[in-house]
Amino acid sequence: SQTIHQWPATLVQPVGSPLSLECTVEGTSNPNLYWYRQAAGRGLQLLFYSVGIGQISSEVPQNLSASRPQDRQFILSSKKLLLSDSGFYLCAWSHSGTGGYEQYFGPGTRLTVT
Amino acid sequence: GQNIDQPTEMTATEGAIVQINCTYQTSGFNGLFWYQQHAGEAPTFLSYNVLDGLEEKGRFSSFLSRSKGYSYLLLKELQMKDSASYLCAPLRSSYKLIFGSGTRLLVRP
Repeated sequence: SQTIHQWPATLVQPVGSPLSLECTVEGTSNPNLYWYRQAAGRGLQLLFYSVGIGQISSEVPQNLSASRPQDRQFILSSKKLLLSDSGFYLCAWSHSGTGGYEQYFGPGTRLTVT
Repeated sequence: GQNIDQPTEMTATEGAIVQINCTYQTSGFNGLFWYQQHAGEAPTFLSYNVLDGLEEKGRFSSFLSRSKGYSYLLLKELQMKDSASYLCAPLRSSYKLIFGSGTRLLVRP
C-alpha cells in the first residue's frame, strides 16, 4: 500500500529565515505530487504540482519554490520567510495517467512564522 | 471563474441525516470530489463523482449534476465522529482540484 510522509510536523521560524519542508511517497512510482497551503479556517490553496522529476508547475506567485529531485520526493523551500507564510502545509500525491484522480494527503506541517 | 460555494457551518443531531450542498461554475470542470477534514488533520478522500447521479458508499452518498454545477454530500445516521469540515473540490484537470473553503459540521448528542 502507498504511504506519504511529511516532516517536520510543526515548525516555528523567525521572519527572514529559510525554509525546507520535505515530502516522500512510498509504494507507488511516478506519482503526481502537490503542495498545498491552508490558512487558519480557510480552504486549501494549491501552491505547486509536479508530474515528473524536475517538472514543477507554480500556481501562485510567492516567495516559495518547489523541487522534485527524485521520483517520490517533493521539497518546498523559501529563502526568506514572511509572516504571511504561516499556515498548514500539506503534501499530496495522485496516480499518474489513468490511474485515478483522487489525491491523498500527508499529515501536514504546521508552520508559524514569528 | 472557479467560484465554489458551500455553507460555512451546519449543525445536526446524532442519528439524523444532513445534506451539504456545493455549487460551482461549470466551465472547464470534469467531476467532483468530497473530502473530510477533522480539525488539525489532513483531508481524507470521501467520494468522487465523474458522472451525473448519486454514488453511495456506506453512510455517505454524493450527488452530481455537471450541467447545473451542483453537488451534495449526504451523511446518514450521523455519529459524533462525523463532526469535521467537508470540502467540495471540482476537478479542473487530471492534475488539479480546486477546493472550496469547506463546511464545518457540528454533530450534537
